[in-house]
Amino acid sequence: GEDVEQSLFLSVREGDSSVINCTYTDSSSTYLYWYKQEPGAGLQLLTYIFSNMDMKQDQRLTVLLNKKDKHLSLRIADTQTGDSAIYFCAEDGAGNNRKLIWGLGTSLAVNP
Amino acid sequence: GAVVSQHPSRVICKSGTSVKIECRSLDFQATTMFWYRQFPKKSLMLMATSNEGSKATYEQGVEKDKFLINHASLTLSTLTVTSAHPEDSSFYICSASRGTRIETQYFGPGTRLLVL
Repeated sequence: GEDVEQSLFLSVREGDSSVINCTYTDSSSTYLYWYKQEPGAGLQLLTYIFSNMDMKQDQRLTVLLNKKDKHLSLRIADTQTGDSAIYFCAEDGAGNNRKLIWGLGTSLAVNP
Repeated sequence: GAVVSQHPSRVICKSGTSVKIECRSLDFQATTMFWYRQFPKKSLMLMATSNEGSKATYEQGVEKDKFLINHASLTLSTLTVTSAHPEDSSFYICSASRGTRIETQYFGPGTRLLVL
């Protein structure tokens, strides 16, 4: 079945690293994505990883993919208050014509 | 670039009335637009996919007569919730795509609908 799971909340101190975890079920997904949702703004694509990769780094963001366990994580280094938002992971299923399968979202709170 | 707007940002209406939500791609032409619904503590649910000049494709379980979608131009799609009921209260999000890849989808800020 199609199901993407995330923990709902994460709280970190400013300057620490944040790690947001996600598990998915469709092993045929080609790409996995991380989106950021801030109040009043549209979902913003942060980064994505091809399913044949196990790591991707983009400035403060590091994505780790364990395809065997169907586990995806997003690490934000030096977390800032501006990183407070809801983070969604999503997978594209079996190359499903741009239809994304979404997690519930993890609400990240960054405390000064 | 790649800005998508939605109007209104929030709307309150009486049960039985219809509500129209607009989605515009401001700086690019979108061949395809998508409409999502987001419930509290639930993931985004794709409602329908619309291509300019053709009928929308609705996901299973979404009533096409209830949620009318019109994609009249390459920069505008509208979602009309007809005869709204309290259970239609939700957060509606559109996205506009300027290519075939998921990375080319850009999301609007969403519309909060409350039906009394």
